[in-house]
Amino acid sequence: GAVVSQHPSWVICKSGTSVKIECRSLDFQATTMFWYRQFPKQSLMLMATSNEGSKATYEQGVEKDKFLINHASLTLSTLTVTSAHPEDSSFYICSARERGLSGNTIYFGEGSWLTVV
Amino acid sequence: RKEVEQDPGPFNVPEGATVAFNCTYSNSASQSFFWYRQDCRKEPKLLMSVYSSGNEDGRFTAQLNRASQYISLLIRDSKLSDSATYLCVVKPPGSARQLTFGSGTQLTVLP
Repeated sequence: GAVVSQHPSWVICKSGTSVKIECRSLDFQATTMFWYRQFPKQSLMLMATSNEGSKATYEQGVEKDKFLINHASLTLSTLTVTSAHPEDSSFYICSARERGLSGNTIYFGEGSWLTVV
Repeated sequence: RKEVEQDPGPFNVPEGATVAFNCTYSNSASQSFFWYRQDCRKEPKLLMSVYSSGNEDGRFTAQLNRASQYISLLIRDSKLSDSATYLCVVKPPGSARQLTFGSGTQLTVLP
């Protein structure tokens, strides 16, 4: 079963509205989660690193005021796309890092398809 | 130059064929290397890690050439279910840096 759950899987919203995507780690605590975006036929691009209890670290070119990230607990990070526009339509994927004795393991969520109309 | 480069394909091969993918990375200090598989409209899933000595998992063989900074994936006896996009993934040096994904190579195995 999935160890990282993303919700919603699909969302359609009107241009100008905001959409929130949740990423939950199941059965483990994730102090760090990552948000990626993938456009059709392109690679996953890291948008930001979400740190529990502190501000997210955004990659160059990603607007922090447009893509709000909140990591309020050890099992939940949320990405809010504010004032969405059609060009924000994309596949958004989160991942969470589980720290283990033998090293770190990255688990991906199932992804969220956002369509802005 | 992209940090991780792959031939986008598509590769269309008949069932039972052997197919190889290559990937190059730009940062010679990169530490870890992986091949992920991504099915259409799904999240990437780890296929295998790539070790310096080369490693094999069933029909899949991964090789790493640090001197030339390339990674390869060989799939033998291709199955229809192998059809997917294969992503070359590199972890750059530094604990703060996260995975860097190649754009993927699309494989279609034909009956």
